[in-house]
Amino acid sequence: AQTVTQSQPEMSVQEAETVTLSCTYDTSESDYYLFWYKQPPSRQMILVIRQEAYKQQNATENRFSVNFQKAAKSFSLKISDSQLGDAAMYFCAYRRFSRGGSNYKLTFGKGTLLTVNP
Amino acid sequence: DGGITQSPKYLFRKEGQNVTLSCEQNLNHDAMYWYRQDPGQGLRLIYYSQIVNDFQKGDIAEGYSVSREKKESFPLTVTSAQKNPTAFYLCASTRFPAGGDTEAFFGQGTRLTVV
Repeated sequence: AQTVTQSQPEMSVQEAETVTLSCTYDTSESDYYLFWYKQPPSRQMILVIRQEAYKQQNATENRFSVNFQKAAKSFSLKISDSQLGDAAMYFCAYRRFSRGGSNYKLTFGKGTLLTVNP
Repeated sequence: DGGITQSPKYLFRKEGQNVTLSCEQNLNHDAMYWYRQDPGQGLRLIYYSQIVNDFQKGDIAEGYSVSREKKESFPLTVTSAQKNPTAFYLCASTRFPAGGDTEAFFGQGTRLTVV
């Protein structure tokens, strides 16, 4: 079974600084997807960034980027120029690549609560 | 606008009662999921359904039941057999099979409290 581990229950960062959230996962699959979701106080889950395992290039979305290390099964999220609105719970998630009849469920880590200090 | 609607936002249940949480989507997604969120536990999968009239147990299905009679709807019933039902419940959907859109879309959640 796939597992996702987020080893940092809480992190804090100063506004405008950079922070990196860690995620490791365990899978025997070679094709899969990885995600970072953000859950602000409203509790609405918002997709931050997505990475396909077959792509060597790290995904980037504006101030958000990942460091995807497939061999190490590591998928960290870097937030640059942190803003007050980045304060939220961040979840790392894994999803197996779909082939006919495959299991498509998302497996989540336990989350990292990010605080942004003004 | 396409999306997932969960209702109600807050729900109170007396001990021994069954309650049903509603989840409706108009994204034309085939697969739907129910997750439970507790502090420090992340999101844990209760049930999921890949197509109409079919569903599978997730990691914590005991005390819950679901149905999938329509593509758009995936209601979750929390039965009296669920010993600790107070939690935040999230419904999600994905395309099946996954093409370019591989991520899950989520509803806004239902907070269930046993009183």
